[in-house]
Amino acid sequence: DAGVTQSPTHLIKTRGQQVTLRCSPKSGHDTVSWYQQALGQGPQFIFQYYEEEERQRGNFPDRFSGHQFPNYSSELNVNALLLGDSALYLCASSLGHWGNQPQHFGDGTRLSIL
Amino acid sequence: GESVGLHLPTLSVQEGDNSIINCAYSNSASDYFIWYKQESGKGPQFIIDIRSNMDKRQGQRVTVLLNKTVKHLSLQIAATQPGDSAVYFCAENQGGYNKLIFGAGTRLAVHP
Repeated sequence: DAGVTQSPTHLIKTRGQQVTLRCSPKSGHDTVSWYQQALGQGPQFIFQYYEEEERQRGNFPDRFSGHQFPNYSSELNVNALLLGDSALYLCASSLGHWGNQPQHFGDGTRLSIL
Repeated sequence: GESVGLHLPTLSVQEGDNSIINCAYSNSASDYFIWYKQESGKGPQFIIDIRSNMDKRQGQRVTVLLNKTVKHLSLQIAATQPGDSAVYFCAENQGGYNKLIFGAGTRLAVHP
């Protein structure tokens, strides 16, 4: 039973560039949430996708966008990268976007902006 | 691997002792809580969850206690082992949608 998988594991970009991160949810899960984790801090919610639509969004600018595909996998896109975007980006999956369901995380993509 | 929680509060315990990690949550409307363990270079790993209609829940070597009156959550780990060394986060779900708000985290250091 495969858990949440994310790719790539590490990425280095320069300011102003664009990046796409990918996530495959745990088998049987249909909801994907993305989080940003700065060094030394807890993860912060970016947004959540269910039925290929963005259902909720945290306090992130619209440079951050996403997509969910029919097979429930998801992408996170960040445009016009800033130095402050350097962080670990985590994907979590769950069954359903409503109700109290445990979220299971992947090991993240470490994004470094030079 | 990458170091998680460079400047987090640290709880140091001896191997075999019991550990208690505390967390204060922010929203009295939160109705679901999860404890996660995060090792260096890894994503948060689900440990145990509890709903707001419960005060206590037990798992394998772990117990979570919820005090809604003072908005406090604790994680108790019995017979702590070196493999328990990690950063521990509590997370709250604020009303319905599966959107987690994480606490600051606590580093647990287990010494032989």
